[in-house]
Parts: sequence; C-alpha cells; structure tokens
Amino acid sequence: DGGITQSPKYLFRKEGQNVTLSCEQNLNHDAMYWYRQDPGQGLRLIYYSQIVNDFQKGDIAEGYSVSREKKESFPLTVTSAQKNPTAFYLCASSRRDPSHEQFFGPGTRLTVL
Amino acid sequence: DAKTTQPPSMDCAEGRAANLPCNHSTISGNEYVYWYRQIHSQGPQYIIHGLKNNETNEMASLIITEDRKSSTLILPHATLRDTAVYYCIVSGNGGSTLGRLYFGRGTQLTVWP
Repeated sequence: DGGITQSPKYLFRKEGQNVTLSCEQNLNHDAMYWYRQDPGQGLRLIYYSQIVNDFQKGDIAEGYSVSREKKESFPLTVTSAQKNPTAFYLCASSRRDPSHEQFFGPGTRLTVL
Repeated sequence: DAKTTQPPSMDCAEGRAANLPCNHSTISGNEYVYWYRQIHSQGPQYIIHGLKNNETNEMASLIITEDRKSSTLILPHATLRDTAVYYCIVSGNGGSTLGRLYFGRGTQLTVWP
C-alpha cells in the first residue's frame, strides 16, 4: 500500500537529549513537510523540502534540523536547543504543485521528561 | 499567521447537512482553498480543494464565493464519524511558499445522534 509512515508512534526522551523522528513515503512525492501540533492548536510548519538535497525553514525551525538525502525519507531531529519539544509531530508529502494535496502520516507523539 | 477565519465550534444532527463557513478575505488570485479534517490524535485527512469554481467529490462539496473571500464546506449527510476538527487552509502559490499550508485552529464539528 502507498502511504506515509512515521515511527515510533510514541517516543519518550530525557531533557537534553537529541532525538530523531522518522518519516518515509512511497508515494513518489518530491515535496515533504514536518509540522508540530500542540494541544488545541493547529499545525505549524517546522521544515519543508521541495526536492532531494534541498530544504527550507518553516515558521518554527529553531531547535530542529532535517536532512533530505533520499526522495522517500525526511527525518527530523529535535535537538536539545528546542526549549519545549513535547508535542505531536506530523510528516506530510505532496507533489510539487500547489494544486495537489498533502498526504499526512499518523504522527509521532514526543514527550520529553 | 493563519490566513483564514473559522468559527471555533459547530454541531449538526446526524443525517443532516453540515455547512462549515470560512473567511479568507486576503486570498490572492492563484492561491487555493483546501479543507482538511483531523480526528483526535491522528494525521489530518484531505477532504477537498478549489481555486475559483465550486467542487464536489465523494466526501463533500466546496462552495467558493465569486469574490473568493469566503467559502463553505458542505457535508451532505453528516454521520457520527464526521465528528472532527475541520481546517480551512489557503495554500502557498509559488516560489518559497509553494505547497505551504497555513493552518488555523479550525472548527470542531460535533455530530450528534
């Protein structure tokens, strides 16, 4: 089946540790996105990538890093510099065209203790 | 910042039509209007999108006003499974904003028996 997978679904880390969230898609989409969602809020864009080996900061990139070495993969690292990392993280992908919808993964809920 | 305004909550009786309004008065000529919904703790699900014309698919209808400053999502026969947060989104249309979705807080639709 085609789709987007995120792993793990729940993740716990100690404060001060970096953690990497996985996002893989087999939809052959060029563009991929990372969003953060806090309780009762909408989604906020962290980073996005329109093509392999290229990515841009979104609205809340501080404390996060990404890489895009392969078309199907777009991992997100939450660094110790992120002041409030506990949140629900969502990955999405789409074709490189504003008329095409984004497909979202199931999300990873990160809790920093 | 979100480019859309939606009521925070609405309710609807099962089997009746649900009409969800959205204002996007600053939309530019080639920006699309998208609708997504999100059931608690899941990734958003694409519903429908449009540019100028009204659109219909198996899930819903999208009515866009002639001046494009507002739109209405119509779920023709709401079911209990349609209870979710519904997001009206304006998409980036090119350059660095290509493919970007600007999420607000959405409308919590509750369908009651």
